[in-house]
Amino acid sequence: GNSVTQMEGPVTLSEEAFLTINCTYTATGYPSLFWYVQYPGEGLQLLLKATKADDKGSNKGFEATYRKETTSFHLEKGSVQVSDSAVYFCALRGSGNTGKLIFGQGTTLQVKP
Amino acid sequence: DAGVTQSPTHLIKTRGQHVTLRCSPISGHKSVSWYQQVLGQGPQFIFQYYEKEERGRGNFPDRFSARQFPNYSSELNVNALLLGDSALYLCASSGGLAGVSYEQYFGPGTRLTVT
Repeated sequence: GNSVTQMEGPVTLSEEAFLTINCTYTATGYPSLFWYVQYPGEGLQLLLKATKADDKGSNKGFEATYRKETTSFHLEKGSVQVSDSAVYFCALRGSGNTGKLIFGQGTTLQVKP
Repeated sequence: DAGVTQSPTHLIKTRGQHVTLRCSPISGHKSVSWYQQVLGQGPQFIFQYYEKEERGRGNFPDRFSARQFPNYSSELNVNALLLGDSALYLCASSGGLAGVSYEQYFGPGTRLTVT
């Protein structure tokens, strides 16, 4: 079945450092891929998405490229801020007429000033 | 515009009891999905409803049930609560099931603690 694997955290960076959070997936067909962010005590917010191979999703300085050849959707940001501290979830939606999302286990990011 | 709203915010129940969680989708959205997020893990899909019909069910026991009302709000019911049901229950709404309308917007969640 479909699944998502994220790098384990926590990831601790200094402000203005470069961020990469790895995400790989297993899926049949052509899934859509997402990154969600969860701030402490809150629900999930969609950060970015990509719906087909080679698409690049971007938002708030974050980027991720849908790589079908490596089944990956790594999240990157060139310069992190303290306010980026949160838990980041990679997710996929399988092909077919359903909204079901499959999430990775989440990666905690802590940015220190 | 109001986002997805859920009630209650927090809930404490005893093993064996029953619980009902409520969700109101974004105005105009016709699909509601429920997810369970155990501490330290990613959300797990429980149910999806669209136009008041069940359109998907995750790998959860029959103690979990849900329904969607004519105004598209939804309830999640859990019977015979177990300690392992303690989690954050998230509701997500979307406009539809296909194309750009499937994008899901999440509510803040209901934190359920079973003692």
